[in-house]
Amino acid sequence: QKEVEQNSGPLSVPEGAIASLNCTYSDRGSQSFFWYRQYSGKSPELIMSIYSNGDKEDGRFTAQLNKASQYVSLLIRDSQPSDSATYLCAVSSGGYNKLIFGAGTRLAVHP
Amino acid sequence: EAGVVQSPRYKIIEKKQPVAFWCNPISGHNTLYWYLQNLGQGPELLIRYENEEAVDDSQLPKDRFSAERLKGVDSTLKIQPAELGDSAVYLCASSRRGRELFFGEGSRLTVL
Repeated sequence: QKEVEQNSGPLSVPEGAIASLNCTYSDRGSQSFFWYRQYSGKSPELIMSIYSNGDKEDGRFTAQLNKASQYVSLLIRDSQPSDSATYLCAVSSGGYNKLIFGAGTRLAVHP
Repeated sequence: EAGVVQSPRYKIIEKKQPVAFWCNPISGHNTLYWYLQNLGQGPELLIRYENEEAVDDSQLPKDRFSAERLKGVDSTLKIQPAELGDSAVYLCASSRRGRELFFGEGSRLTVL
């Protein structure tokens, strides 16, 4: 079992819809959770961090964390073609400073 | 505030040649990471430094890879000799302890 699992996609959504990206992790001791966006040929860019159970909203993005189910998700409202990218889930493991990344989910937003 | 700076951005070498990558982290970030990213995969940790100390290098292939972080600031990652399978993007990142991690632009290595 991989430490951080994501559906590779592609996840295809129409412009204006809600995109839902999911991530599960294996380390019950994980305390920090991050979502990164990576455009093709570019480096990962941090878009959300979440540390406690529940929802955290930032503009069109909402991160959701459920530690009991070892599950973290990212919702993108009013999806735009510019949101088309690979979204990487990252989870702390073995201490706050060790981040393990999933393989990423490719999102395609079509007009 | 300047971001994480990496060089070179691109490097093409013949197999068995040496190569080195340099990273300057964000000012005040005591934790520095080197990740490797293959096409279609997420970043994989090679080594993590807390100040000058390498605290996690379990994934670093020590027969050919080496890294150093002198004075707890800049870091260099070296590969000698390079193999075809080393072709990838080498990402440097930094963070304050326990906080968000920020990446540099990456160094894309092609081994022929």
